[in-house]
Amino acid sequence: QVQLVESGGGVVQPGGSLRLSCAASGFTFSSYGLHWVRQAPGKGLEWVTFIRYGGDIKYYADSVKGRFTISRDNSKNTLYLQMNSLRAEDTAVYYCARSFRGVVGEWFDPWGQGTLVTVSS
Amino acid sequence: EIVLTQSPGTLSLSPGERATLSCRASQSVSSSYLAWYQQKPGQAPRVLIYGASSRATGIPDRFSGSGSGTDFTLTISRLEPEDFAVYYCQQYGSSRWTFGQGTKVEIK
Repeated sequence: QVQLVESGGGVVQPGGSLRLSCAASGFTFSSYGLHWVRQAPGKGLEWVTFIRYGGDIKYYADSVKGRFTISRDNSKNTLYLQMNSLRAEDTAVYYCARSFRGVVGEWFDPWGQGTLVTVSS
Repeated sequence: EIVLTQSPGTLSLSPGERATLSCRASQSVSSSYLAWYQQKPGQAPRVLIYGASSRATGIPDRFSGSGSGTDFTLTISRLEPEDFAVYYCQQYGSSRWTFGQGTKVEIK
């Protein structure tokens, strides 16, 4: 079945770096755009970044622009998020999600189970 | 950036009752790019409605979406015990995706 599995979360000090991975299976990875969405503890969902299926187009939320980099390896069916200059406010569960485009519209489906990133000294 | 405001913040209802959730956008949203998600504690969100009114695969018909422009509604016709959760609306526009802050549907 279609599945996304995130990894790489953990505890990091302010100013530090971390790289998240999202392994995909059950669909043609190279045909879909992908997102990272985060959720701070007890808070709502915040879109972080998007990468198109070919990796040539990327968009970022203003809150992470210049600090985070999204990338993908279509030969490994894996999505990445390189996070630099981390701040306490980056603490969140990070989800990867496939961008599904239908006859009408576009939506996030499915989502991975998430990986927790904690920025703390 | 388009801001989505959901109301109410919390909805306290009993099983079998009807739930009406609102999502208001700060500027007009294409109906094609308005979706609703359900999230239960400790779980990832899952899509319920896309294109403002189309049910996603496997979603029961007690869930329905409506609206256009700046006002959208998610209706749960008769609440089942498994429907008590947090619901988010989401839109896409100008290379940005945004979510509402969520509505929690809790058991009264």
